[in-house]
Amino acid sequence: KAGVTQTPRYLIKTRGQQVTLSCSPISGHRSVSWYQQTPGQGLQFLFEYFSETQRNKGNFPGRFSGRQFSNSRSEMNVSTLELGDSALYLCASSLLIAGGMTDTQYFGPGTRLTVL
Amino acid sequence: QQQVKQSPQSLIVQKGGISIINCAYENTAFDYFPWYQQFPGKGPALLIAIRPDVSEKKEGRFTISFNKSAKQFSLHIMDSQPGDSATYFCAASGGSNYKLTFGKGTLLTVNP
Repeated sequence: KAGVTQTPRYLIKTRGQQVTLSCSPISGHRSVSWYQQTPGQGLQFLFEYFSETQRNKGNFPGRFSGRQFSNSRSEMNVSTLELGDSALYLCASSLLIAGGMTDTQYFGPGTRLTVL
Repeated sequence: QQQVKQSPQSLIVQKGGISIINCAYENTAFDYFPWYQQFPGKGPALLIAIRPDVSEKKEGRFTISFNKSAKQFSLHIMDSQPGDSATYFCAASGGSNYKLTFGKGTLLTVNP
């Protein structure tokens, strides 16, 4: 089975611009989560989608948004970019166990976003 | 509020030695405790995970020890190899929330 794929792998943007990142989960996985990784803050949860619905959201400003499509592919968008948004953005997919028990999340390689 | 505390921040071990990384959590609703390994330029990869119904889980050279009463869990890497040099993250999730809460990570260096 192919793993989680993320595109693009690298992005360079300037302050004030917006950016859209894409994630394709492992085939059959319906839950997709997004994380931001920075040297200072580590790995922080952004949001999680299941069946096109956002179920959980982390403590990030409204400039960060996402969506999930019917094929489980997901996108996240960051508007009005700030220097502090420079980070590795990771997508993870999960096969939800019946009953809602937490299941393993498999991560993609990430998108490295640099804001100048 | 950091709900998962990981130590040490960095660790240097000689080849063949035992690497031990510790984590402590606060949220008693957590019911899933994975460890991830991350190499530079790569996403985190699941190493091993445990649920609180067992106190220990072993997979090859990797062992998780879990102490529910102390709210602590640890990763032991036996016979550490230079190829194990990476950053290791503990994490936890559970309750009605499916997100992973990560520790800050441990940079492991295994000297040949």
